[in-house]
Amino acid sequence: EVQLVESGGGLVQPGGSLRLSCAASGFTFSNYWMNWVRQAPGKGLEWVGNIKFDGSEKYYLDSVRGRFTISRDNARNSLYLQMNSLRADDTAVYYCARDHRVVAPVMDVWGQGTTVTVSS
Amino acid sequence: DIQMTQSPSSLSASVGDRVTITCRASQNIGKNLNWFKQKPGKAPEVLIYAASTLQSGVPSRISGSGSGTDFTLTISSLQPEDFATYYCQESYSFMWTFGQGTKVEIK
Repeated sequence: EVQLVESGGGLVQPGGSLRLSCAASGFTFSNYWMNWVRQAPGKGLEWVGNIKFDGSEKYYLDSVRGRFTISRDNARNSLYLQMNSLRADDTAVYYCARDHRVVAPVMDVWGQGTTVTVSS
Repeated sequence: DIQMTQSPSSLSASVGDRVTITCRASQNIGKNLNWFKQKPGKAPEVLIYAASTLQSGVPSRISGSGSGTDFTLTISSLQPEDFATYYCQESYSFMWTFGQGTKVEIK
């Protein structure tokens, strides 16, 4: 079964750091771009960033560039999101999503999400 | 950055109704447009990719059309499981953008 499982969310103070993980199974992880998408409470979906299958390219939402870093370990079938200098408006459910690029890029498999709360 | 504008923001409909949601991009994105459905407390799921291709397992009452800047998601006969929030998303640029969402509620 193709599956993504996020972990690492929690409560953190403003200015703090947190590292999210996403464990992949059921597919050849090293063949796929991967994404992070977030959803603030009661709000819509917001793409955070993505990483190429070999880690050689990364793209970020303007508001997180320089604070967040996406990385991956293909040997461990794992995706990561290192979040530094966290702000209250980073509070959200964070999803990882597989990026299937056939006709056009599409996030076709999603994890269940992990909740990040930034508050003092 | 590309802006994606969905309309309406919400709608009320009955089971069996035909429902249409539109999505407009601020610039030409070709057919690089995906549609997602999300139920409360659940992860999004893809319905349509590349503007008009039905994702495997998605019922055929759901369809997508459009190219360039104007796109449409249509549900031909609304079913109880279709009451949810729908999002369009462009995958043309390097930094992807979602529409603000359309909530489909029971009339």
